[in-house]
Amino acid sequence: GAGVSQSPRYKVAKRGQDVALRCDPISGHVSLFWYQQALGQGPEFLTYFQNEAQLDKSGLPSDRFFAERPEGSVSTLKIQRTQQEDSAVYLCASSSLFTSGGANTGELFFGEGSRLTVL
Amino acid sequence: SQQGEEDPQALSIQEGENATMNCSYKTSINNLQWYRQNSGRGLVHLILIRSNEREKHSGRLRVTLDTSKKSSSLLITASRAADTASYFCAVSGGSNYKLTFGKGTLLTVNP
Repeated sequence: GAGVSQSPRYKVAKRGQDVALRCDPISGHVSLFWYQQALGQGPEFLTYFQNEAQLDKSGLPSDRFFAERPEGSVSTLKIQRTQQEDSAVYLCASSSLFTSGGANTGELFFGEGSRLTVL
Repeated sequence: SQQGEEDPQALSIQEGENATMNCSYKTSINNLQWYRQNSGRGLVHLILIRSNEREKHSGRLRVTLDTSKKSSSLLITASRAADTASYFCAVSGGSNYKLTFGKGTLLTVNP
């Protein structure tokens, strides 16, 4: 696609509910990242995929957070038993880094984000 | 934790003036990038400067990098109201894929 697409843009969940956030990266981008951005803060790294392999999940705050990218394209970030502190904007980004023939500049292309509010 | 730290946290200027934002970081880097974020939107890449570069220009943007001081600055010349946004620096270090962002500078350009 032309850009990174995220859905839903807004999600309100009751505490304890499970949520799933979807990211459709730029076509052909090997690298995919999830970031969490709290209000008034910068994005915090959550996890990194190279194709379908999750190479780094060091930023996931707890075992309630789970991400997958089974076919190396679309990715889903799942949060189980949501808590109020999970309220944030979840940003997905893709990059041509490590893409064969890609620019390998490390520049990230971000989606518009999914704003999660946990009541 | 966030490695890059921007300064100031907020900056308000008049249209036509120049805006300077600074970024400091703690460890050695491969490159440093600046991003812009309009309210409620995703981040947009502005410019990348590699660790062996000292200055880079792109349109009205000028970025400098001083690796001895572990700092960078972003200068926006002849600012416009449309430049109003948050600006973040991000550093790429040893892993070469992970970008670590600062907390950002909120720039307001008054018409």
